[in-house]
Amino acid sequence: SAVISQKPSRDICQRGTSLTIQCQVDSQVTMMFWYRQQPGQSLTLIATANQGSEATYESGFVIDKFPISRPNLTFSTLTVSNMSPEDSSIYLCSVANEGYGYTFGSGTRLTVV
Amino acid sequence: QKEVEQNSGPLSVPEGAIASLNCTYSDRGSQSFFWYRQYSGKSPELIMSIYSNGDKEDGRFTAQLNKASQYVSLLIRDSQPSDSATYLCAVSSSNYKLTFGKGTLLTVNP
Repeated sequence: SAVISQKPSRDICQRGTSLTIQCQVDSQVTMMFWYRQQPGQSLTLIATANQGSEATYESGFVIDKFPISRPNLTFSTLTVSNMSPEDSSIYLCSVANEGYGYTFGSGTRLTVV
Repeated sequence: QKEVEQNSGPLSVPEGAIASLNCTYSDRGSQSFFWYRQYSGKSPELIMSIYSNGDKEDGRFTAQLNKASQYVSLLIRDSQPSDSATYLCAVSSSNYKLTFGKGTLLTVNP
């Protein structure tokens, strides 16, 4: 299965600022996703990152708040914009492995102060 | 709204016992079913996938799927303290998006 490198692993940010999270995959993958895991909660899908086109966002998530780039089949970024303490979460990228399942990056633990 | 329901637990079993984790899902069009293990502070790790009705065994783990009942389960035999974690049930349909349950916290007591 694909191996994902995600960074940063953690960050503490001031409210009102933005943070960009990067995911690099060791092979070309078609399907790439971004999830949020709030403290003590399960994973919620933010968006599907599409190569060469705009990301597809789930209900409750908007591009202005969570802009996503997918310049090629091995790389994607998620930006958390104009952060507030409510954005404090773990953010994870994931890829679909044909016939195997989904692999997750190691996660970015974000704290907004 | 697609939903995946799990017993929230916590579930506590003695070392060497069988741990049984259950999950139901609402979308009859679901095609792929996964169990992930998540240790505290870590990202989810895939432990089992199942795509057709019946049982699938991998070492100490057995996944069971019943599409008619919209039910999937995970059995862990000979439970070890290292199995203590949150177990997440996840379901996907033709759009490849994963929907997760809230997870069941399993504690295996030595």
